[in-house]
Amino acid sequence: EDKVVQSPLSLVVHEGDTVTLNCSYEVTNFRSLLWYKQEKKAPTFLFMLTSSGIEKKSGRLSSILDKKELSSILNITATQTGDSAIYLCAPGYQKVTFGTGTKLQVIP
Amino acid sequence: SAVISQKPSRDICQRGTSLTIQCQVDSQVTMMFWYRQQPGQSLTLIATANQGSEATYESGFVIDKFPISRPNLTFSTLTVSNMSPEDSSIYLCSVDTVNGDTQYFGPGTRLTVL
Repeated sequence: EDKVVQSPLSLVVHEGDTVTLNCSYEVTNFRSLLWYKQEKKAPTFLFMLTSSGIEKKSGRLSSILDKKELSSILNITATQTGDSAIYLCAPGYQKVTFGTGTKLQVIP
Repeated sequence: SAVISQKPSRDICQRGTSLTIQCQVDSQVTMMFWYRQQPGQSLTLIATANQGSEATYESGFVIDKFPISRPNLTFSTLTVSNMSPEDSSIYLCSVDTVNGDTQYFGPGTRLTVL
């Protein structure tokens, strides 16, 4: 059975802090790992990672995949209140498996 | 990325009734998926909607409870049948990219069953 674990489950930080979110996985079919941000209903796509060691960046967010360790991290620097959300990782191929999610709260 | 719409965006239904959720994509896509997210939980895949054939259901989900249609490459429906309060969830459709590496989600349907 596919398994995806994210840590921490929840996190409260102050604006300006840097956070690192973790995702570890064991899935049958793997081609890419996806990161999403979920604020209300629909998850918003952040990153797609397919190769180990290659960092993807988008503004203050960055992510990297380690295929050897079957894990990925999502970094957010200089956090803002607008970063408050649930962050989901989803490894797989076509049919992905979603992790438990990390609930991030950024307080002013 | 594809533009995906879902209808209704939310609904409150009575126990024992059924609700059909529509998902429309602005371009032809190969694969469409239906997910459920129960309160405080992550997303769980219900089924893959196949164009021209029966949907492929995940363990724990059956066609009688969640019939799915996909008449063409841009549209799908999910019906939640004989609803109970345990069916109160957000229901999301998603589509994959041409190469299957990324999924994009519709805005979701928030269902409350009384």
